[in-house]
Amino acid sequence: GQNIDQPTEMTATEGAIVQINCTYQTSGFNGLFWYQQHAGEAPTFLSYNVLDGLEEKGRFSSFLSRSKGYSYLLLKELQMKDSASYLCAVRDGDYKLSFGAGTTVTVRA
Amino acid sequence: IAGITQAPTSQILAAGRRMTLRCTQDMRHNAMYWYRQDLGLGLRLIHYSNTAGTTGKGEVPDGYSVSRANTDDFPLTLASAVPSQTSVYFCASSDGLDHTDTQYFGPGTRLTVL
Repeated sequence: GQNIDQPTEMTATEGAIVQINCTYQTSGFNGLFWYQQHAGEAPTFLSYNVLDGLEEKGRFSSFLSRSKGYSYLLLKELQMKDSASYLCAVRDGDYKLSFGAGTTVTVRA
Repeated sequence: IAGITQAPTSQILAAGRRMTLRCTQDMRHNAMYWYRQDLGLGLRLIHYSNTAGTTGKGEVPDGYSVSRANTDDFPLTLASAVPSQTSVYFCASSDGLDHTDTQYFGPGTRLTVL
């Protein structure tokens, strides 16, 4: 089976930076995704990494190290609307997505 | 507006009843997926379809069936619902053509089996 670990909860202050770590052990690797999910809503795509390194998209960046089975999502200049659950998902050798349980980020004023 | 729709939005169902959750996409995506999301467990794949006319089993397929008669629709059927199938169900699709093959999710169906 697949094993994807991420912290359950994180709290940060508006305007600050938060880093959400994700470690994985999967059968094969064909890319890592980060999704954002607000309470009661569908997951929405944030980022995709398939090669080692950092991908930057505005206030959000995602990093991947395939040799370490590790990724992080960096959220900068936090806003209240960033309060949500962040899901790490790995596409395995069969091209199926396996999801972590998600990290709930709470942004406080 | 392009996207994925699911119906119903929510449903309360008696155990033993049959139920079909509907999913329709208008993006002409080749692949479609059904997931269930339970607290603390994350999203788990139930069934998938890589293209119209084909289906496959995911991580938790028992008690569920699917069909893919055309590109747009991918219904999920619970033949005889049990309380452990209480969950939020998400349908997703991807075009399978670009290198990312990103999955896009529908709004979900909240199902309660009593």
